[in-house]
Amino acid sequence: GAVVSQHPSRVICKSGTSVKIECRSLDFQATTMFWYRQFPKQSLMLMATSNEGSKATYEQGVEKDKFLINHASLTLSTLTVTSAHPEDSSFYICSASPSMGQENNQPQHFGDGTRLSIL
Amino acid sequence: LAKTTQPISMDSYEGQEVNITCSHNNIATNDYITWYQQFPSQGPRFIIQGYKTKVTNEVASLFIPADRKSSTLSLPRVSLSDTAVYYCLVGGNTPLVFGKGTRLSVIA
Repeated sequence: GAVVSQHPSRVICKSGTSVKIECRSLDFQATTMFWYRQFPKQSLMLMATSNEGSKATYEQGVEKDKFLINHASLTLSTLTVTSAHPEDSSFYICSASPSMGQENNQPQHFGDGTRLSIL
Repeated sequence: LAKTTQPISMDSYEGQEVNITCSHNNIATNDYITWYQQFPSQGPRFIIQGYKTKVTNEVASLFIPADRKSSTLSLPRVSLSDTAVYYCLVGGNTPLVFGKGTRLSVIA
């Protein structure tokens, strides 16, 4: 089945550091990927839609200059948290579907998430 | 984007069948219904997807009535390892909007 890989699984760093998270579709091409954030005991919140070869679409309230998204290839999207602060500490999860943009529908598959802790 | 409503939590004993119902009154014609399972500190894991009637796979069944305004995930003979949060989502090739999910606790 479709596999989405996310790296790293955990990051601990000092305030002010920029952190890059990678999301890869291992066995399919993904023109679109999605980035979510999840705080403890809460549900996933969609942050942005990553589009291969074009600018990402951000949800309301998500700072595009804070959360930089690059989708340079059909199998890789990256999320960079710039100048991270303690309030950015969260669980970041990406997803992708083999059928996005096509008529048939296949479920989205999620990465295992990245636990970001800013000290 | 269709909104879903599920029970916040459910408890079950090991070996029992668990049915979790989700309502999605404003589901669109092109929308599919998909259920995910999430363990702490892991990404959601796909369980089952359907459009109408009944779908069954090796881990669960999904029942969808004719009006498609609700769906029921059925987990046969749950075990302790099925303790997790279960999300019902509705959509097609669009970003998924997560509700609060159902926290299932399986008791020995």
